[in-house]
Parts: sequence; C-alpha cells; structure tokens
Amino acid sequence: NAGVTQTPKFRVLKTGQSMTLLCAQDMNHEYMYWYRQDPGMGLRLIHYSVGEGTTAKGEVPDGYNVSRLKKQNFLLGLESAAPSQTSVYFCASRPILLAGGYTFGSGTRLTVV
Amino acid sequence: GIQVEQSPPDLILQEGANSTLRCNFSDSVNNLQWFHQNPWGQLINLFYIPSGTKQNGRLSATTVATERYSLLYISSSQTTDSGVYFCAVEETSGSRLTFGEGTQLTVNP
Repeated sequence: NAGVTQTPKFRVLKTGQSMTLLCAQDMNHEYMYWYRQDPGMGLRLIHYSVGEGTTAKGEVPDGYNVSRLKKQNFLLGLESAAPSQTSVYFCASRPILLAGGYTFGSGTRLTVV
Repeated sequence: GIQVEQSPPDLILQEGANSTLRCNFSDSVNNLQWFHQNPWGQLINLFYIPSGTKQNGRLSATTVATERYSLLYISSSQTTDSGVYFCAVEETSGSRLTFGEGTQLTVNP
C-alpha cells in the first residue's frame, strides 16, 4: 500500500516554463489537496477536490491550475512558472468519513530560476 | 476562516527533558492532527485527535475541543525528535486542513 505518491520529487524550472506535478493515491479517498510550504511557514492550501471531476480554490490559487480526471489522481499545473512559485509542494488525501485524518505525500521541491 | 496558533514558536531542549507544545484554534473542529516535519522535510503524522487523549510511546496528545486547544507532550526527548511540529485542523463547516505556523524543536545531546 503506497499511500500518496508524488512525482517528481525535485525539479528546476526556468521562468516562464510550464510543468505538471502528479499526485496519486491508492486508498480510494474521495478528497485530495495540493499545499505549498515556503521556508519557515506552515502549509497553505492551493486547490482541492472533493471528488472526481470537481475542483475548488484554496488560500493561494493564483498561478496554478488543477485537474481530477480520475479519482486516484490529482494534477497541479504551472502554466508559466515564476520565481515566487519556488516552494515545496505537498499533496494529501482523505476519505469522506474522517477516520485517521489526512495522508500526505513526501513532497516535491520546485525551484524556479 | 479558522485561525490556528501554536506556541512556543521555538524550543531548545537538552536530551532527556520533557516538553509541552500548545495549539489553539478559533472555531469548532471535526479533525485535529499533529505532524512532525523531520529535517528531510517529510511530514510524519503523529496523532489524529479531534478530542480526547492518545499516547504513542514517549509522545502523547490531548485535545479539549470545547475549549479549543490541543497539547502535544514529548517526554524524555531525543535528538531525533528535532524538527518542526505542526498542528492542523479542519473546521466542522469545511473539508480542508488549516495549518499553524509550527513549533521548531531542537534537542541537543
């Protein structure tokens, strides 16, 4: 049981480039989330999804897009990367009925130069 | 949205000492979790504790939901306990986790 898997683990982008971060979970969870963590801070919610085909904005959504075409996958896209998007990105999931809470992936460290 | 405040922001201990970390939140919650972020950046889920008391080895946690706070106890601290401890809550009216700013714990040998 892998839990929540994020790919890639590390990436360096040039300003203006685009990329997609993939989150996959094998726990049949309905809800999935993308967070970012900047140095010395807690995690802040970018976007989330409460089911296949649905997405919603979180606290810091600007500059990002997401898609949830399959229940087990949640994609985070950066269309035109900016240095301000240099951060560590965490994906999480949880079942509809909270029992054990949220499960987090190991993170993706993204640097935009 | 819900506010989450953690204290203290920084804590330095000698190995073997005990400590208490606090998390205050501003509204009713249906989920509260404590996480440890290790020096490699991994988030380790310590406790899922929307109410009551739980213990896991040298760590224990208590949440008093009616008074809107939670405490994380670390006994006989070890250098491997170093890192950042986060409290995160999900308010009853929502379906997303809000994090506090964390407590940076350093345990010296």
